[in-house]
Amino acid sequence: EAAVTQSPRNKVTVTGGNVTLSCRQTNSHNYMYWYRQDTGHGLRLIHYSYGAGNLQIGDVPDGYKATRTTQEDFFLLLELASPSQTSLYFCASSKTGGGGNTLYFGEGSRLIVV
Amino acid sequence: GDSVTQTEGQVALSEEDFLTIHCNYSASGYPALFWYVQYPGEGPQFLFRASRDKEKGSSRGFEATYDKGTTSFHLRKASVQESDSAVYYCALGDNTGNYKYVFGAGTRLKVIA
Repeated sequence: EAAVTQSPRNKVTVTGGNVTLSCRQTNSHNYMYWYRQDTGHGLRLIHYSYGAGNLQIGDVPDGYKATRTTQEDFFLLLELASPSQTSLYFCASSKTGGGGNTLYFGEGSRLIVV
Repeated sequence: GDSVTQTEGQVALSEEDFLTIHCNYSASGYPALFWYVQYPGEGPQFLFRASRDKEKGSSRGFEATYDKGTTSFHLRKASVQESDSAVYYCALGDNTGNYKYVFGAGTRLKVIA
């Protein structure tokens, strides 16, 4: 089974602060994703990537950057954090793209922006 | 654009009750349909999927049938247990080679022993 590990699991920052959320997957999947989870909205896609150096824009990208440094590692960057970015963030991976593939999720990173 | 609607935001049942969580979708094309389950403190995990009309997906006593006519993929379980308490997400995946997944808002199931 795919292993997806996120860090930190919990983070508190101030408005305007800099935050990096990290994700590592160890099952040689090509695709990696960042989602945010908010009550009433389910899971919304922020960015995704199909390989090292690649970045694709998701559905709610404003205020977020992302970088895929290796096949295993995908980072989400908030350079000027705002309270509206308080959320639970999930990283996921899948073997290939295409909506028929199963997503494997990490355990989540809870971010609070005060 | 594509969308997934889960009718129930929360469901409360007693053990051994029958469960139905309604999921309807709107999509151009012929998406794959999924159910994911999320236990407290964990990420969502794949429950099962179906890819074509009338196909039934099932796992751990849960099942759903892909119905293109009614654009539905309702989750059912005959007899729930307290350990089934979780959030359930219906999702669709674009099968045309796109990355696109769309998740419903989720349904929180609480089963009382």
